[in-house]
Amino acid sequence: DSGVTQTPKHLITATGQRVTLRCSPRSGDLSVYWYQQSLDQGLQFLIQYYNGEERAKGNILERFSAQQFPDLHSELNLSSLELGDSALYFCASSVGTSGRTQETQYFGPGTRLLVL
Amino acid sequence: AQTVTQSQPEMSVQEAETVTLSCTYDTSESNYYLFWYKQPPSRQMILVIRQEAYKQQNATENRFSVNFQKAAKSFSLKISDSQLGDTAMYFCAFMKPMMYSGGGADGLTFGKGTHLIIQP
Repeated sequence: DSGVTQTPKHLITATGQRVTLRCSPRSGDLSVYWYQQSLDQGLQFLIQYYNGEERAKGNILERFSAQQFPDLHSELNLSSLELGDSALYFCASSVGTSGRTQETQYFGPGTRLLVL
Repeated sequence: AQTVTQSQPEMSVQEAETVTLSCTYDTSESNYYLFWYKQPPSRQMILVIRQEAYKQQNATENRFSVNFQKAAKSFSLKISDSQLGDTAMYFCAFMKPMMYSGGGADGLTFGKGTHLIIQP
């Protein structure tokens, strides 16, 4: 158990719908990362938040958005869903401190999204 | 942008054998981190080992060790005395630290993975 929690574990929805995925980081971690794993694209970095602020963007679609709340949990919002958005969505967290510190990302169990 | 290449889509070895998974990467950064993650059938992503680019010494974690060749941009994973529980997808990943005052690091760039099968 990495200490990172994600809900829900599974989600089935229809095209055009909107869903919200939730992540709670490990205790003490300030950084949260979202990743998408699909057969076509492999594992892709989507977006990172550090202590409530967006820090880095990867291959995140405009239909997707995220935020990190004061209690440090994060939500990934996926809207206007398409069949191709079906994937495993991971959240990861790290300490996120300054300087040349040991930054390691610990992954949650993932949310499996199926768009029908 | 960084790229990570894993040239072996699938490997199969007998239990107790030693196996080496290869990974090469391309970057213009001088300071970065490299990781191997394991993804068993449960789909959980599990950290296997990490290496800081500024360290010349190769990282080891029990039966797992790496051969880090910075000049060649190569980062291979050696698994000794392989066990049935080592059967999984193995992903090589690259990460560069951020230079913000708050620090932290950028997102991971993953290779496409190597499916390792340990035969009894």
